[in-house]
Amino acid sequence: SYVLTQPPSVSVAPGQTASITCGGIGVGGKSVHWYQQKPGQAPVLVIYSDRDRPSGIPDRFSGSNSRDTATLSISRVEAGDEADFYCQVWDYTNDHQVFGGGTRLTVL
Amino acid sequence: QMQLLQSGAEVKKPGASVTVSCRASGHSFTDDYIHWVRQAPGQGLEWMGWIMPKSGSKLSAQSFQGRVTMSRDTSINTAYMELHELNPDDTAFYYCARVSRSDRPFDTWGQGTLVTVSS
Repeated sequence: SYVLTQPPSVSVAPGQTASITCGGIGVGGKSVHWYQQKPGQAPVLVIYSDRDRPSGIPDRFSGSNSRDTATLSISRVEAGDEADFYCQVWDYTNDHQVFGGGTRLTVL
Repeated sequence: QMQLLQSGAEVKKPGASVTVSCRASGHSFTDDYIHWVRQAPGQGLEWMGWIMPKSGSKLSAQSFQGRVTMSRDTSINTAYMELHELNPDDTAFYYCARVSRSDRPFDTWGQGTLVTVSS
């Protein structure tokens, strides 16, 4: 089955840019979606189809996807961005949805 | 705009079954896929399966095959997930989420239902 690998944690100072990676064999050929989850809340979609933002998501959030790595970038990081982030793709070979293990973003 | 409202928290004993419901409002869900995702305490998201309310077609993740039953009642815009033979490792938040097409994102989530399995 398809596997997505994320770093367990990423730390960044306020005002800097955070980059969270999502690795998978040939993930560049898939459509990657990203979710933000704050404690006690359901996940919220922040990036879909590699780089598109849902309405209401600040343009500080951006995404890219190439070859074996997709990346979620958050510029001008704020304390309120602290959360767990998950990448997700559809594995067409078995029609399963796959989540990465999640990355905890800490704002120093 | 669609909203998904889930049933309340449950406490079950090992070996029992639990049913979680997910009611859609603001949008007919018959043409969508309703997925189920769970999250154990302090852990990541785990995909369980999907059901297409219009046709009743469904698919579950291999790790849940034989233990999960997904169903729907289109007359009340509600999907159900029943998990059998519960064990303490099934203690988790269970979420329903909407997808319009397999390669599209989970754009709407329910609020989550906590299922606790304890003797």
